[in-house]
Amino acid sequence: GAVVSQHPSWVICKSGTSVKIECRSLDFQATTMFWYRQFPKQSLMLMATSNEGSKATYEQGVEKDKFLINHASLTLSTLTVTSAHPEDSSFYICSARDPWGVGYGYTFGSGTRLTVV
Amino acid sequence: DAKTTQPPSMDCAEGRAANLPCNHSTISGNEYVYWYRQIHSQGPQYIIHGLKNNETNEMASLIITEDRKSSTLILPHATLRDTAVYYCIVRVEAAGNKLTFGGGTRVLVKP
Repeated sequence: GAVVSQHPSWVICKSGTSVKIECRSLDFQATTMFWYRQFPKQSLMLMATSNEGSKATYEQGVEKDKFLINHASLTLSTLTVTSAHPEDSSFYICSARDPWGVGYGYTFGSGTRLTVV
Repeated sequence: DAKTTQPPSMDCAEGRAANLPCNHSTISGNEYVYWYRQIHSQGPQYIIHGLKNNETNEMASLIITEDRKSSTLILPHATLRDTAVYYCIVRVEAAGNKLTFGGGTRVLVKP
């Protein structure tokens, strides 16, 4: 089946620095990828929809200048958390849509746990 | 997309069937019912989906009521590895359409 690889799986960074998270579709091309954020004991919250070759679409309340998304190829989307602060500490998860995988077409990465100290 | 309502948590015994309910009373005719689960600190995993008919695969069965206002996910023989948060989602099947997660049901399988 479709596989989505997400790296790194965990990262610790200092407050004020930027962190980049990669999301790759390994065996299919994904024109659309999604980025979610999840705080402890809470559900996944969609942050943005990443479209290959065009600007991402951000959900209401998500700062696009803070969470930079780049989808430069059909197999790679990146999320950069700029000037990270402790409140950005969270579990970030990406998802890619295999256009030929109807129903089970949404495949998720294993997540990245970001801790900002 | 239609909103879903699920119980926040439930326990079930290992080896027994686990029946997870989901209410989606405002579902539209072209909206599918999807089930995903998330094991602790991992990304969500697809389980099953359906439109009108009951569905079964190697993981679970999905029973959708005739009026489509509710559904039940059945794990036929729950194991300890089935402990997870289970999400019921209804959405239109369309390219690029996003998945929106509700609160889900936290299932604890006990020995």
